[in-house]
Order: sequence, then structure tokens, then C-alpha cells
Amino acid sequence: EDQVTQSPEALRLQEGESSSLNCSYTVSGLRGLFWYRQDPGKGPEFLFTLYSAGEEKEKERLKATLTKKESFLHITAPKPEDSATYLCAVQAGGTYKYIFGTGTRLKVLA
Amino acid sequence: DAGVIQSPRHEVTEMGQEVTLRCKPISGHNSLFWYRQTMMRGLELLIYFNNNVPIDDSGMPEDRFSAKMPNASFSTLKIQPSEPRDSAVYFCASSSVTGGLETQYFGPGTRLLVL
Repeated sequence: EDQVTQSPEALRLQEGESSSLNCSYTVSGLRGLFWYRQDPGKGPEFLFTLYSAGEEKEKERLKATLTKKESFLHITAPKPEDSATYLCAVQAGGTYKYIFGTGTRLKVLA
Repeated sequence: DAGVIQSPRHEVTEMGQEVTLRCKPISGHNSLFWYRQTMMRGLELLIYFNNNVPIDDSGMPEDRFSAKMPNASFSTLKIQPSEPRDSAVYFCASSSVTGGLETQYFGPGTRLLVL
């Protein structure tokens, strides 16, 4: 069964304290792995798509990486405005469905 | 582009009443998804449309839920009759496939409270 597990569930960081969020997955033929950011009261906002092991994508203080079993979202020198829930989703080959993880709630303290 | 538009943003209703949620996908996108998000279950796919045709409604909880997409720019999700356990945030997302690659873009959601 296709499955996505995110860890940790919650993370508190001091401003400037770099860390990583994990997304472990099992899927029948990965078509794509997606990272979203969700602020309270808003819809998920697309961040990155990764397609193959070894791929990396960057956007400002965020960097996403992908292996055959997991993806990491690295946050370098975070700021309070990076506080949000980060969601990971996978899409299996030959399907349209996204399987979402339950997210990591990130709080960055000033 | 205005992104995916949903209305209403908030809905409070009483048990037994009919609720209709509306969605306007991003222009040019040919796939539309309705999701429900709760603290307990996270994001759950309810139904998927492709080119206005329902492809998979296996996630629709029961017969009280129905969805339509009469044209490429409009979709509705209806709950009749509503129950307190339907309280959740309902998201609409749209996507297009370009070169075999696909990304879903979400609307702001409708927060539904059934009393």
C-alpha cells in the first residue's frame, strides 16, 4: 500500500537554527514527490516537485532533496515567517492521486 | 492568474440542511480535485474530475455527498443532508498535465461547521 510518513510532527526552532524535515514514502513507481506549505486558514501552497532520486530543488531558505525512500526539506537559517505546516505528497506512476502525509508543524521563534 | 477560487470561505449550518460548496479552477487546467481536511485524518481526496468528467468518486463518504462539474470553469460539492461529522475544511485543487508532469494547485478552502 502506498504510504507517506512525515517526521517530526512538530518542530520548534530558534531564528537562524537550521534543521531538516523528513518525508518517508513507499509507493509503486514514484511519479513525483511534492512539497507544500500550509499557513493557518489557507490552502496548501506548492513549493517543489521532485521526480528522481538525487534530484534537488531550492527556493530561498528551503532546499528539497530526494532518495529512493525519502525526501528531506532542509531549512537554512529560518525566519519566523517560515512558520507553517509543511506537507509532503507522493504520486504513484500511472495514477492521478496524491497520497499526503500528515505534515510537520514548524514554529520559528524570533 | 487569480488561482483557484472557492466560495463561500466559511459556512455555518444546522444539521439536516443542504450545503453547496463552489469552485472555479485555474483557467486551462483540465483536472479538478475535491479534498477534505480534518485534524484526525489530514487531507483526503473525495472526487477527481478530468475534462469535466468524474473519474473517481471512491473517496466520497456516502450518498449524502455529490459533486458536479457542468463546465471547465465551475464545480460544486453538495452535502444533503449535512451532519456534524461533516465539519471540516474542504479544498478544491486543479492541475494540468504538461509533458507528463502534473502539479496540483489548491484553493483557499471552505471551512464548514455543521451544528
